[in-house]
Amino acid sequence: GQQVMQIPQYQHVQEGEDFTTYCNSSTTLSNIQWYKQRPGGHPVFLIQLVKSGEVKKQKRLTFQFGEAKKNSSLHITATQTTDVGTYFCAADQAGTALIFGKGTTLSVSS
Amino acid sequence: DAGVIQSPRHEVTEMGQEVTLRCKPISGHNSLFWYRQTMMRGLELLIYFNNNVPIDDSGMPEDRFSAKMPNASFSTLKIQPSEPRDSAVYFCASSPRGYYGYTFGSGTRLTVV
Repeated sequence: GQQVMQIPQYQHVQEGEDFTTYCNSSTTLSNIQWYKQRPGGHPVFLIQLVKSGEVKKQKRLTFQFGEAKKNSSLHITATQTTDVGTYFCAADQAGTALIFGKGTTLSVSS
Repeated sequence: DAGVIQSPRHEVTEMGQEVTLRCKPISGHNSLFWYRQTMMRGLELLIYFNNNVPIDDSGMPEDRFSAKMPNASFSTLKIQPSEPRDSAVYFCASSPRGYYGYTFGSGTRLTVV
């Protein structure tokens, strides 16, 4: 079945440093979504990417979808303590429900 | 909009007892999903509904788990009998039909002792 692999599993940065998490699939994806879950919270939808090579920005967050639609990345510029949490990528298989990656947990020290 | 509403927020029960988790999706959302989250296995899809009809329940661990959606505004996930390995956070999510982001509820933290 559909699987998305995320790396790294954990990342610790100093406030102000950049952060990137990667999501990979062995099959071509129709779309990919990104979510953020704060400690003790629930996943919150961030963005959806649909087109090959698509790049979208949300303030300090940059999302990319690979040309082959098999990988995606989330990059945070100049991290802040408010960026702490777990970032998930998720993809569906032929219009079924989303399958989530294991997530990358980001910690930020000031 | 109150978002997706789950109850209870926390549930502690003894092994062998029946547990019922409840979810009210966002009005107008056609799809409803139940996920389970643990440290070891991450976010696992249990079952999802489109227009109140169960579409895929292949993620339901075993016959002890059952889910219903009697109408567009209510769904339940039942575990009978419960076991300690069922301890997890159970999330309900809903979305409009098509490629849209999911809105998750706050979850039910289940502890089976």
